[in-house]
Amino acid sequence: GQNIDQPTEMTATEGAIVQINCTYQTSGFNGLFWYQQHAGEAPTFLSYNVLDGLEEKGRFSSFLSRSKGYSYLLLKELQMKDSASYLCAVRGGYQKVTFGTGTKLQVIP
Amino acid sequence: KAGVTQTPRYLIKTRGQQVTLSCSPISGHRSVSWYQQTPGQGLQFLFEYFSETQRNKGNFPGRFSGRQFSNSRSEMNVSTLELGDSALYLCASSLDSLANTDTQYFGPGTRLTVL
Repeated sequence: GQNIDQPTEMTATEGAIVQINCTYQTSGFNGLFWYQQHAGEAPTFLSYNVLDGLEEKGRFSSFLSRSKGYSYLLLKELQMKDSASYLCAVRGGYQKVTFGTGTKLQVIP
Repeated sequence: KAGVTQTPRYLIKTRGQQVTLSCSPISGHRSVSWYQQTPGQGLQFLFEYFSETQRNKGNFPGRFSGRQFSNSRSEMNVSTLELGDSALYLCASSLDSLANTDTQYFGPGTRLTVL
């Protein structure tokens, strides 16, 4: 089976840096995805990691450690529009994608 | 390129009825996956279709079914609706889910309310 854990909620200040963690236990591993979902909208793709290390994309970075079953999404220079849910998803055996329940991030002034 | 479209966007049904939801993937995408999203459970995988064949299935009862047409458009059907089926149903398309780098793109969803 597959199990993905993320914190339920986080609060951070505008302009700051926030790290959203994701731990997973899966049968098979073929990549980890991060999605952003604003309230009432569809999830949008942010990043993909399949090898260990850091992937940087502008203000967003994602890190993966396969041996630890661990990933994090790092958001820098937080803006109010970054208030959203962040979903961690793992592609496991048979290419099946499993999503975590998401972390609701609130950015405050 | 147009994104993933889903119809209808909102639906209200009563217990015992059945419902059909439709999804049109991004042009060129051959894989379509369906998810149920509820506040407590997050995104739950329903099934995935590729080239008109169901390739993966989640842990949902047989009341949930789907199909894919030759143009990659997909439908999902829920029969004998229960109150617990109230949720946002999301469709995601991708080029080919067998490629590790394959990325899913989501439609806006269909909000189903069962009364």
